[in-house]
Amino acid sequence: SQTIHQWPATLVQPVGSPLSLECTVEGTSNPNLYWYRQAAGRGLQLLFYSVGIGQISSEVPQNLSASRPQDRQFILSSKKLLLSDSGFYLCAWGRDKRWPLHFGNGTRLTVT
Amino acid sequence: SQELEQSPQSLIVQEGKNLTINCTSSKTLYGLYWYKQKYGEGLIFLMMLQKGGEEKSHEKITAKLDEKKQQSSLHITASQPSHAGIYLCGADMKTPGGYQKVTFGTGTKLQVIP
Repeated sequence: SQTIHQWPATLVQPVGSPLSLECTVEGTSNPNLYWYRQAAGRGLQLLFYSVGIGQISSEVPQNLSASRPQDRQFILSSKKLLLSDSGFYLCAWGRDKRWPLHFGNGTRLTVT
Repeated sequence: SQELEQSPQSLIVQEGKNLTINCTSSKTLYGLYWYKQKYGEGLIFLMMLQKGGEEKSHEKITAKLDEKKQQSSLHITASQPSHAGIYLCGADMKTPGGYQKVTFGTGTKLQVIP
């Protein structure tokens, strides 16, 4: 069966520090991968999606970037964090349209 | 872009009561997903609906997609404390490359009082 791992679970970082969140999927190959952010009181905002190694699509202009160095690895990064980057970050994988996305357990990021 | 509106935003019910959560789209829904989220955790997939008029059930939760495929409802019968959480609907969006992108509603927070 397929599993998705996301870490760390929580992170507290000062403004201006770098960020690296990692997500890996097991049990499947060539998945579509996604990074979402969930801010307090708001829905899920799609940040990035990837349909293959090195293929990244950005949904919103921001301080963050994503990379997919391996088929089942998706990384969310920032060179310098802003206070507004605080939130709950969720990684997900999927296959095709009309196939549900499956989510990791999320990372709670607090920028101080 | 497709927007999904959920109602109500929050709901407090007595254990044993029935409840309904609605998800309305500004455009036709081609793939509609329901998820449950406990605070601070990831989303758990509940059900997927594709066809107009489709209805699916799992234990005490029933989801329906209307004939026009612009509204979905999630109904919980005889609610239990274990049903508490945030329920989100999600829908497939059209993309230039034909790849899957899912947009979500803002969620409905459900509390069940014992």
